[in-house]
Amino acid sequence: DSGVTQTPKHLITATGQRVTLRCSPRSGDLSVYWYQQSLDQGLQFLIQYYNGEERAKGNILERFSAQQFPDLHSELNLSSLELGDSALYFCASSPRASGGITDTQYFGPGTRLTVL
Amino acid sequence: AQTVTQSQPEMSVQEAETVTLSCTYDTSESDYYLFWYKQPPSRQMILVIRQEAYKQQNATENRFSVNFQKAAKSFSLKISDSQLGDAAMYFCAYRLLYSGAGSYQLTFGKGTKLSVIP
Repeated sequence: DSGVTQTPKHLITATGQRVTLRCSPRSGDLSVYWYQQSLDQGLQFLIQYYNGEERAKGNILERFSAQQFPDLHSELNLSSLELGDSALYFCASSPRASGGITDTQYFGPGTRLTVL
Repeated sequence: AQTVTQSQPEMSVQEAETVTLSCTYDTSESDYYLFWYKQPPSRQMILVIRQEAYKQQNATENRFSVNFQKAAKSFSLKISDSQLGDAAMYFCAYRLLYSGAGSYQLTFGKGTKLSVIP
């Protein structure tokens, strides 16, 4: 158990819908990363937050957005869902955003999203 | 941009034997970290081992060790005394040591699926 929690574990929805994925980082971790794992694209970085502020964006679609709240949990919002959005979405957390070796990312169990 | 390549989509090993998974990467940076993550059928991403590029000594964690060749930009994972529980997808990943923007996202390879034969 990494200490990172993600809810829900599974989500099945229809095209055009909107969903919210939730992540609670390890106790004390300030930095949260979101990754998408799909069969064709592999594991891709989506977005990073540090202590409530957006730090970096990767291959995140405009239909997707995220935020980190004062209690440090984060939510990833996916809207106007398409079949191709079906994937496993991981959240990872690290203590800081300092780059040190102790700033290793630990992953949550993921949320499996299926768009029908 | 950094890229990570795992050229072996699938590998297999006999239980108790040794197997080596390959990883190469491309970067113009001199300071960075490299990681191996394991993803068993449960889909959980588990950190196996990490290596600082500025350290010449290869990292080891129990039965897992790496062969880090900085000049060749190669970072292979050796699993000794393979066990059934080692069966999983293994991902090689890269991360900058220092980012002025404070962003330390991981760049992953496509993964190698390891099967362990009893």
